[in-house]
Amino acid sequence: ETGVTQTPRHLVMGMTNKKSLKCEQHLGHNAMYWYKQSAKKPLELMFVYSLEERVENNSVPSRFSPECPNSSHLFLHLHTLQPEDSALYLCASSQEGTSGTDTQYFGPGTRLTVL
Amino acid sequence: AQSVAQPEDQVNVAEGNPLTVKCTYSVSGNPYLFWYVQYPNRGLQFLLKYITGDNLVKGSYGFEAEFNKSQTSFHLKKPSALVSDSALYFCAVRDISGGSYIPTFGRGTSLIVHP
Repeated sequence: ETGVTQTPRHLVMGMTNKKSLKCEQHLGHNAMYWYKQSAKKPLELMFVYSLEERVENNSVPSRFSPECPNSSHLFLHLHTLQPEDSALYLCASSQEGTSGTDTQYFGPGTRLTVL
Repeated sequence: AQSVAQPEDQVNVAEGNPLTVKCTYSVSGNPYLFWYVQYPNRGLQFLLKYITGDNLVKGSYGFEAEFNKSQTSFHLKKPSALVSDSALYFCAVRDISGGSYIPTFGRGTSLIVHP
């Protein structure tokens, strides 16, 4: 793939469960992103971490909680999700700054199904 | 502010024929423009980008795109389509004058190449 890995690739969970999605980038980048991709809808940016500072989309519900312990790892913690949260969750990374490539590299995604 | 439009939800083309996937953009300053491809159950994969220089940009898998500043367009093209080119294509824009490193993605265009 592209140097960005995501686990698990598929996840089925009930509305009362707590789970976490993991992303790891092996590209030495300094920014990481979570996107939500739903059928028939535009790609939705959820969270951005750049140089470990967090930027978020204010429309994302609080049942989604990101964590970025270092520049290579990104987590998305999930709790009390709704069926409409079922989607493909994509992680991406990029190198930002004066020497940045400006190109985002995506992981394969986690297909989440909420029952 | 930055925005991007992909006016076609779906493009159909016969194998061996030329293909075009359209993209128009709006930025306050100068744009960085990107094309990504997404195959089923995979993440987005970088195809090509325009930063500066020649208006015709060549990318992976024989794809190219032409930056047209007067028409604010960045259409993706390929001289001879393959069945394996069938996928979802995303255009993205970033306003390099806007201070944000976060690109805006289009809604995506489904390309179907018929044998």
